[in-house]
Amino acid sequence: GAGVSQSPRYKVAKRGQDVALRCDPISGHVSLFWYQQALGQGPEFLTYFQNEAQLDKSGLPSDRFFAERPEGSVSTLKIQRTQQEDSAVYLCASSPIPLGGTQYFGPGTRLLVL
Amino acid sequence: AQKVTQAQTEISVVEKEDVTLDCVYETRDTTYYLFWYKQPPSGELVFLIRRNSFDEQNEISGRYSWNFQKSTSSFNFTITASQVVDSAVYFCALRGGSNTGGFKTIFGAGTRLFVKA
Repeated sequence: GAGVSQSPRYKVAKRGQDVALRCDPISGHVSLFWYQQALGQGPEFLTYFQNEAQLDKSGLPSDRFFAERPEGSVSTLKIQRTQQEDSAVYLCASSPIPLGGTQYFGPGTRLLVL
Repeated sequence: AQKVTQAQTEISVVEKEDVTLDCVYETRDTTYYLFWYKQPPSGELVFLIRRNSFDEQNEISGRYSWNFQKSTSSFNFTITASQVVDSAVYFCALRGGSNTGGFKTIFGAGTRLFVKA
């Protein structure tokens, strides 16, 4: 079946612009994660959804970051008033079970804020 | 606090050499999960293995093998007879039980492996 897909794959934004990044998880996967990966570093956790419930948003760096998964499937990560330090690859992962399951990653969205 | 340390930033080997990537972790959870992922130049993280804290059996999958030792909090990854296609960044990751660590998965900084022909 299809893997995790993300769109757009690349996004260039001007500082101060709002952006929305989309994640389509593997069908039927309960868990959905967002990560931020800066150049040359490992992914850093942003937030976690179990179905439509956002159970952990402790990794969101500021209140400019907002994520939703209203129907328990597709998720959107929104960044308001983007800053240059937001430039990174944003990775989405899904897992078939709530805890401890293997996470399957999408290709990521590379965001560049000018 | 949970932490994953991959002390080797970069490793360069010649094709057919064996190579071991080190991973040391810290957690207070009694139940936890360890993972290895490969990130080739294309950028997509590829799952390699998942290990539960209560299963210390080592595992071999083709040219890949993993050595999990709770006594030293290590989960090392060995590639036997390396190939050029193994060139990538490899990440070790830790996820604790929900009672303390929440739902976070903590990734190490990664080890970049270069395999030269």
